[in-house]
Amino acid sequence: GAGVSQSPRYKVAKRGRDVALRCDSISGHVTLYWYRQTLGQGSEVLTYSQSDAQRDKSGRPSGRFSAERPERSVSTLKIQRTEQGDSAVYLCASSPPPDRELAYEQYFGPGTRLTVT
Amino acid sequence: DQQVKQNSPSLSVQEGRISILNCDYTNSMFDYFLWYKKYPAEGPTFLISISSIKDKNEDGRFTVFLNKSAKHLSLHIVPSQPGDSAVYFCAGTNNNAGNMLTFGGGTRLMVKP
Repeated sequence: GAGVSQSPRYKVAKRGRDVALRCDSISGHVTLYWYRQTLGQGSEVLTYSQSDAQRDKSGRPSGRFSAERPERSVSTLKIQRTEQGDSAVYLCASSPPPDRELAYEQYFGPGTRLTVT
Repeated sequence: DQQVKQNSPSLSVQEGRISILNCDYTNSMFDYFLWYKKYPAEGPTFLISISSIKDKNEDGRFTVFLNKSAKHLSLHIVPSQPGDSAVYFCAGTNNNAGNMLTFGGGTRLMVKP
């Protein structure tokens, strides 16, 4: 079946503007994660949400980052008042229900490369 | 403070030989470790994992070893193939922390024909 998809693949934003990044996860997956990947520093988790929860559970609390879950398999990462340091690749991942044997595994989308100018 | 470290940013291996990628961690609460493989312009794809109660897990050409006392894990690929050339990330996670993955910085593996 279809994997995790993200849109847009590339985004250029002017500093101070708000951006929204979309993730469509795998059907049946309940937990969605957002990671930020910077070159040579691996990835840090930004937020995750379980089931249908509209509110995100922030891995690293930050007032400018939030995620919404308008549909079970869709998540939107919103970044307010972008800064140049936000330039990175944003990865979305989803995982199967907790009762599944492979619940630890996360399936990643291709990422959105955000450039803040 | 990086909880997961991959100290070798790159590794070059001849086709057919063994590739050994190393990873160190500091968080003793991790109960599961995963290796991901990433090609350019694509998201990471799951490769192999190991529970903290095991010391070895094998899947075809890929074997992951875990040394809990040393807080060290390694990924062995044998024999290495040119198609294995990619960036490899190790990650640790804890079931009580929402299974969020903490990644290392990655190691770029180049397998030469």
